[in-house]
Amino acid sequence: GESVGLHLPTLSVQEGDNSIINCAYSNSASDYFIWYKQESGKGPQFIIDIRSNMDKRQGQRVTVLLNKTVKHLSLQIAATQPGDSAVYFCAENPSGGYQKVTFGIGTKLQVIP
Amino acid sequence: GAVVSQHPSWVICKSGTSVKIECRSLDFQATTMFWYRQFPKQSLMLMATSNEGSKATYEQGVEKDKFLINHASLTLSTLTVTSAHPEDSSFYICSAHGLAGVLAKNIQYFGAGTRLSVL
Repeated sequence: GESVGLHLPTLSVQEGDNSIINCAYSNSASDYFIWYKQESGKGPQFIIDIRSNMDKRQGQRVTVLLNKTVKHLSLQIAATQPGDSAVYFCAENPSGGYQKVTFGIGTKLQVIP
Repeated sequence: GAVVSQHPSWVICKSGTSVKIECRSLDFQATTMFWYRQFPKQSLMLMATSNEGSKATYEQGVEKDKFLINHASLTLSTLTVTSAHPEDSSFYICSAHGLAGVLAKNIQYFGAGTRLSVL
């Protein structure tokens, strides 16, 4: 099914702590997933991606975990910084090609100094 | 990294007028571009897929005569909001895929968005 527009949940984290942002996806046929970061008044920015044949992928300070059994994605941010404050969206791509992606609801991350 | 430029970043117009928004891929060629609409504190909703040299594919519920899309070149897609009304006020965002071999093809690169306010 398609993602619908709902009001964003908020996660508040103390600076320096780790953040975990969760996302449930809908299409079991999706084989490619992306996390985007959107700062206020700006377009989304690519953070990290993962294919369905993986269950974990690490980047700089970020880790994405994929659980296909329960159709769940998570984004872990280590040592959260004030600059990490933004809205984070997961997105799924059914085939990993040039097709459209479907965005999740999004989570607003607030970092408390 | 790939750069997608969107112009204007903010536009205010009177009800009944038309507004054109441009989306340019600055350092790569994009055969496919996407147009999204985003309401405050909500997710991105795909409006249409813009394919270079062919008609755009609109999502269900999006009026193609209201939101005209033109993708005349590999670096430019335009969205024209015709006869705009206050309910069309929103944040419009474009994205682009690069050609295979130039960029990681599965990543959409996004413009900075255009905030449209219709009075």
